[in-house]
Amino acid sequence: AQKITQTQPGMFVQEKEAVTLDCTYDTSDQSYGLFWYKQPSSGEMIFLIYQGSYDEQNATEGRYSLNFQKARKSANLVISASQLGDSAMYFCAMREGFGLGRGADGLTFGKGTHLIIQP
Amino acid sequence: EAQVTQNPRYLITVTGKKLTVTCSQNMNHEYMSWYRQDPGLGLRQIYYSMNVEVTDKGDVPEGYKVSRKEKRNFPLILESPSPNQTSLYFCASTTGLGHEQYFGPGTRLTVT
Repeated sequence: AQKITQTQPGMFVQEKEAVTLDCTYDTSDQSYGLFWYKQPSSGEMIFLIYQGSYDEQNATEGRYSLNFQKARKSANLVISASQLGDSAMYFCAMREGFGLGRGADGLTFGKGTHLIIQP
Repeated sequence: EAQVTQNPRYLITVTGKKLTVTCSQNMNHEYMSWYRQDPGLGLRQIYYSMNVEVTDKGDVPEGYKVSRKEKRNFPLILESPSPNQTSLYFCASTTGLGHEQYFGPGTRLTVT
């Protein structure tokens, strides 16, 4: 079974609209972290936001927020007021054993969502 | 500036010709990893290292070797590259608490 599932291979959104990118995850760990990365066409991986499994409040970073629903095992990324520069691939990722010194376990990535913002 | 550097950024080579992709970080991080990215598959971990002289396999280690002789460097070695290793490769580093993995800029490798 996939550990990270992103069900939207591609999305077209009108500029200035809000966008929700879906992500569901599967883990039996109690301590884990969820991450979102942006990959523009230039190829670099840009960290956007993270949420720890014990964090009670949803994470926010500027126009990005993470809608964390632990019982449903979902961690959707919300981009408010989308801009043309938001066009990119977006990856959801998880680290199990988060915060327990298991940094080497690495991130498990979903297959990504290709977001295109239209003017 | 905190960063992870990789070299080369682009490489075209032929089947069987040994190559090394270098990775270096200036943040004194213990943990370093290599990922490959293929269309439709996301990123998959190849190898990781928890500290100097401590390395272990990730999800897709076949055909790759790594070494960690110094804390800052974590080269990826392809002893006999094959066309199915054509991919985009990322090096990453993080601390033990791992709020974020810092990614290098990527190395686009083509094996013909």
